[in-house]
Amino acid sequence: AQSVTQPDIHITVSEGASLELRCNYSYGATPYLFWYVQSPGQGLQLLLKYFSGDTLVQGIKGFEAEFKRSQSSFNLRKPSVHWSDAAEYFCAVGASGGYQKVTFGIGTKLQVIP
Amino acid sequence: DVKVTQSSRYLVKRTGEKVFLECVQDMDHENMFWYRQDPGLGLRLIYFSYDVKMKEKGDIPEGYSVSREKKERFSLILESASTNQTSMYLCASRSPPAGANYGYTFGSGTRLTVV
Repeated sequence: AQSVTQPDIHITVSEGASLELRCNYSYGATPYLFWYVQSPGQGLQLLLKYFSGDTLVQGIKGFEAEFKRSQSSFNLRKPSVHWSDAAEYFCAVGASGGYQKVTFGIGTKLQVIP
Repeated sequence: DVKVTQSSRYLVKRTGEKVFLECVQDMDHENMFWYRQDPGLGLRLIYFSYDVKMKEKGDIPEGYSVSREKKERFSLILESASTNQTSMYLCASRSPPAGANYGYTFGSGTRLTVV
């Protein structure tokens, strides 16, 4: 069965500092991988996704993620965090196809301090 | 852009009531999903639908049912609401798997409180 692990439930960074959110997955084949962000009281917004090809993926809001098959990881990074990045971040793994489900991690809550 | 609209942002219902949560998408997607979100548990799939009148149980279907009479509308039904169903409910629509736009679009969520 597929699964996603986000080992950090809560992370605090200073504004302007770099950020890396960890995501490890378990999946039997080449996965489809996603990162979503959720602002308080809102739904989830897609930041970026990986299907195939270049293992470094660029997303919206200056985020990027790198797929590392050997480590079963898909970590999210941003070189300089802004106060508006404070939110909850979800990693997800799945596959294409009408009957395929996507499994979400439990989320990492990011706090940004001045 | 795909838009997924959930009819209510906040709902308060009494124990034992029948509750309907409505979700509408405007991009003719076949696949729609209902999740509930709880602190420390992430998103858990309740039901999903891959076509009109078709439904599949997710990971936590107990106490819920769904209805998909039209392609754009996917309703979640709590047959007899209980306090342990107090949660944030998220509806999502999924674009077709082929192509660069594959992915989920979520509604803003309905925060349901059962008292």
